Amino acid sequence: AQSVTQLGSHVSVSEGALVLLRCNYSSSVPPYLFWYVQYPNQGLQLLLKYTSAATLVKGINGFEAEFKKSETSFHLTKPSAHMSDAAEYFCAVSDPGAAGNKLTFGGGTRVLVKP
Amino acid sequence: EPEVTQTPSHQVTQMGQEVILRCVPISNHLYFYWYRQILGQKVEFLVSFYNNEISEKSEIFDDQFSVERPDGSNFTLKIRSTKLEDSAMYFCASITGTSSMNEQFFGPGTRLTVL
Repeated sequence: AQSVTQLGSHVSVSEGALVLLRCNYSSSVPPYLFWYVQYPNQGLQLLLKYTSAATLVKGINGFEAEFKKSETSFHLTKPSAHMSDAAEYFCAVSDPGAAGNKLTFGGGTRVLVKP
Repeated sequence: EPEVTQTPSHQVTQMGQEVILRCVPISNHLYFYWYRQILGQKVEFLVSFYNNEISEKSEIFDDQFSVERPDGSNFTLKIRSTKLEDSAMYFCASITGTSSMNEQFFGPGTRLTVL
């Protein structure tokens, strides 16, 4: 069975500072990996995904993530936080061996950006 | 831009009552999903639906739950006899094609409150 762990349910950063959100996964095979963002009262929106191509993945809004197989990690970063980055971020995995397979989510990390 | 829509945005019901949550997936998508998020907890997979039948379901999706695609556009989740613990945000999602690497597009959610 797959599982996802996000370290830190809440992260507070200053505007302009680095954003680092941690995600570790457990899976018997290298999974597909996703980061989603949820703004208040909205659904989940895809930021980026890893599907076994380049290990450094760039997404929307200046975010990127690096897949490290040896560390079973897929941490999300953004060099300079903006006030609009305040949201909840979810890491998720999917099994590449199954068609249309479900997403398994981590617990989420809520980001607060201080002016 | 096409989007997944869900109605109602908020549903309040009495324990033991039946509820139907409605979703309109993106029109050319093939796989449909329901997830739920109990307040303060992870987003959890409930069920996936493909080619007019359930593809996969979780342990949560017991006999009290059912899904249907009654016409070419709607995708519904029915809870036959609601319990207090069914109170949650319910998200519908869909993907184009069948690959697990494809982005799941999420609706804004229906907040279900069971009293």
